[in-house]
Amino acid sequence: GAGVSQSPRYKVAKRGQDVALRCDPISGHVSLFWYQQALGQGPEFLTYFQNEAQLDKSGLPSDRFFAERPEGSVSTLKIQRTQQEDSAVYLCASSLYRVSNTEAFFGQGTRLTVV
Amino acid sequence: GNSVTQMEGPVTLSEEAFLTINCTYTATGYPSLFWYVQYPGEGLQLLLKATKADDKGSNKGFEATYRKETTSFHLEKGSVQVSDSAVYFCALSYNTDKLIFGTGTRLQVFP
Repeated sequence: GAGVSQSPRYKVAKRGQDVALRCDPISGHVSLFWYQQALGQGPEFLTYFQNEAQLDKSGLPSDRFFAERPEGSVSTLKIQRTQQEDSAVYLCASSLYRVSNTEAFFGQGTRLTVV
Repeated sequence: GNSVTQMEGPVTLSEEAFLTINCTYTATGYPSLFWYVQYPGEGLQLLLKATKADDKGSNKGFEATYRKETTSFHLEKGSVQVSDSAVYFCALSYNTDKLIFGTGTRLQVFP
């Protein structure tokens, strides 16, 4: 596709359930990012991949959060044993290379609601 | 640590009014600075950027100048349109590829 695609667009999970969020970046983009955006707030960094290597996972809020990009393309963000505070929009972005030199393109996000 | 502070919204303007959305940053060095825009129902889009002091980013009639002395990157437009109604985010990146965002400012333009 032409842009960054995320699925599902909306997810409702019961507390304690595991969820998996998918991101299809723009073809050929080396860098891939996950951000978490709470209601009324700006996006907050979760993790960053360069190809299949996870170079920075400093923003993951707990060990219940796990991200992978095994073939350097599609990425999955997994949240285990979801809690209400995990409710947010999860954004994926990709860029050809460095954000300071090339534009980061964002997907429309997955809105996760934990009930 | 590095951070971005931007004015709270909503900012409500009539069409053709002048727009300023303030943004200041804190960083240990010289970051790259960005404005992103989120139109209703769409993903974040890069509006403009500046990578060094005194650079001016511009796009679609919007401008912002990287001011090192005041650590600011205020967004301006001389004449807003209804179609500019959106949420605007100021952001920085420094020494890494991750973006640090402000909390966003909602702009509402009425005819």
